[in-house]
Amino acid sequence: DVKVTQSSRYLVKRTGEKVFLECVQDMDHENMFWYRQDPGLGLRLIYFSYDVKMKEKGDIPEGYSVSREKKERFSLILESASTNQTSMYLCASSLGAGQSSYEQYFGPGTRLTVT
Amino acid sequence: KNQVEQSPQSLIILEGKNCTLQCNYTVSPFSNLRWYKQDTGRGPVSLTIMTFSENTKSNGRYTATLDADTKQSSLHITASQLSDSASYICVVGTTGNQFYFGTGTSLTVIP
Repeated sequence: DVKVTQSSRYLVKRTGEKVFLECVQDMDHENMFWYRQDPGLGLRLIYFSYDVKMKEKGDIPEGYSVSREKKERFSLILESASTNQTSMYLCASSLGAGQSSYEQYFGPGTRLTVT
Repeated sequence: KNQVEQSPQSLIILEGKNCTLQCNYTVSPFSNLRWYKQDTGRGPVSLTIMTFSENTKSNGRYTATLDADTKQSSLHITASQLSDSASYICVVGTTGNQFYFGTGTSLTVIP
């Protein structure tokens, strides 16, 4: 079974802190994604990556950066956390560079609260 | 504008009853449509994936249909169980490897 794990299920951080969210997949998938999910807005794409050291901005990249130094690991970084970044963060991975017909597998999510 | 709209926003049904969730989209160029189930506080889990040439796909008590001409899909749940209580999300993928998410239908199954 494909497994996507995220470093924390719940996280509480203070405004201005640097926050790291880690995502690891164990199926050698090329594609990895970071989304945030807010009530009434659905999932919104923050960043995605089709290969190691490669990243592309999604729909809402402002205030975020990412790192993909190894194929299995994709990190989301909040350089200076703000209260409007309180949200559920979901990581996903899929096979096939540029192949959208492949299924996305999601991690369990990290609920981040910024106070 | 590429959009995915789901209805109803929420639904409450009695255990054992059937229900149908709707998804309308204006996404192009269309590649595939997926239905996900998301339990509260968990990540989405795929139920079905359909491409342009498929008009129905089943996964146990879940049956998805796709009408690519009218750009509509439905997810039918048969003989609902309490464990079906979740959010159901419709996602449309393009040939350009972009994904468009609906905001989901929240289903509550009551005994």
